[in-house]
Amino acid sequence: EVQLVQSGAEVKKPGESLMLSCKGSGYRFTKYWIGWVRQMPGKGLEWIGILYPGDSDTRYSPSFQGQVTMSADNSIGTAYLHWSSLKASDTALYYCARSLAVPGTGWFDSWGQGTLVTVSS
Amino acid sequence: QSVLTQPPSASGTPGQGVTISCSGSSSNIGTNTVNWYQQLPGTAPKLLIYSNNQRPSGVPDRFSGSKSGASASLAISGLQSEDEADYYCAAWDDSLNAYVFGGGTKLTVL
Repeated sequence: EVQLVQSGAEVKKPGESLMLSCKGSGYRFTKYWIGWVRQMPGKGLEWIGILYPGDSDTRYSPSFQGQVTMSADNSIGTAYLHWSSLKASDTALYYCARSLAVPGTGWFDSWGQGTLVTVSS
Repeated sequence: QSVLTQPPSASGTPGQGVTISCSGSSSNIGTNTVNWYQQLPGTAPKLLIYSNNQRPSGVPDRFSGSKSGASASLAISGLQSEDEADYYCAAWDDSLNAYVFGGGTKLTVL
């Protein structure tokens, strides 16, 4: 069974760093893209970017370029989303999701359960 | 404002049919395929339709998708109470070089 299991909820202060994780199982981790999606409180879905663990190819949404960093550790089948300095506006639910096809042609066929990030002083 | 435009809400009674629209442009829906996601309250999104009109295994055939030009639609027939959810269309945008979502449509089953 394909599963994406995300790390637990986080409460952080502005300016702090944060790394979220997303562990894939039940499939060949390096053969699928992993995307990240933000959902702010009461709002819709926003695409942050996508990473191909097989060769570390990454694509960022212009809205998130420079704000976050995506990475992966293939040895443990886990993808990461990292902030070096959080803002209150980063408060949201973050999902990871899997896509087989290259960006532009694919879709997210399996999703993690989401990680709630709260940034408050 | 979302790049893809959806009505914020839709409703129907059990057994009825409902259609949710998704309007885009030549740089997204007009060129690339459309996917639809269903988000039940308090849960992660789930793939409902891919490549304009394909249903993943396990999705009832009450759900169907279509695309014409720079617009797409999701049709749900025989509404059931468990269909009450938020529905999002999505497509790649060649100009933004990004995957874009519609703003979402909240479906209420009266």
